[in-house]
Amino acid sequence: ETGVTQSPTHLIKTRGQQVTLRCSSQSGHNTVSWYQQALGQGPQFIFQYYREEENGRGNFPPRFSGLQFPNYSSELNVNALELDDSALYLCASSAAATKAAEQYFGPGTRLTVT
Amino acid sequence: QQQVKQSPQSLIVQKGGISIINCAYENTAFDYFPWYQQFPGKGPALLIAIRPDVSEKKEGRFTISFNKSAKQFSLHIMDSQPGDSATYFCAASSTGYGQNFVFGPGTRLSVLP
Repeated sequence: ETGVTQSPTHLIKTRGQQVTLRCSSQSGHNTVSWYQQALGQGPQFIFQYYREEENGRGNFPPRFSGLQFPNYSSELNVNALELDDSALYLCASSAAATKAAEQYFGPGTRLTVT
Repeated sequence: QQQVKQSPQSLIVQKGGISIINCAYENTAFDYFPWYQQFPGKGPALLIAIRPDVSEKKEGRFTISFNKSAKQFSLHIMDSQPGDSATYFCAASSTGYGQNFVFGPGTRLSVLP
């Protein structure tokens, strides 16, 4: 069984640029959620994708967007990067879209915005 | 109402001791409470989870105690080991589509050898 994988591991971008982060869900999982984890804080929910559609969104602006593909992998896109976007971005997959479904996290992508 | 409070912020325990981390929530719609363990440079790993129909759940050295009336739940790590040194996050969610986990701010646990 393959776990959740994310790429790239680390990324450095300049303020105002755009970035795309990628996630492959665990085998058998059809739901992907994205979280932002600032240094020293707990993860904060960005949005969830189920059956290729956004299925819920946290308190993040529209410049945070995403996609889910037929193979359940997902992308997180962030436009007009700001310094405060520097964080660990985590992807989690689950076998169902209900909140009670267990979520399994990937190792994350560390984004640094300068 | 979406907030989950967690304490202490950091915890130092001697090897073999008991580590206790507490969380509190406000939203009575929450009905699933997982705990995650995170090592530096890694994503959070699911440790143990509880639903409010039981007051306690034990898996190995890890126990969750749940107090529905007080809207509090806690993680107990028995016989703490240096390998348990990590950051622990409590979280809460409720059933239904489109919503997701609300995490506490985390507790950094250090177990001294």
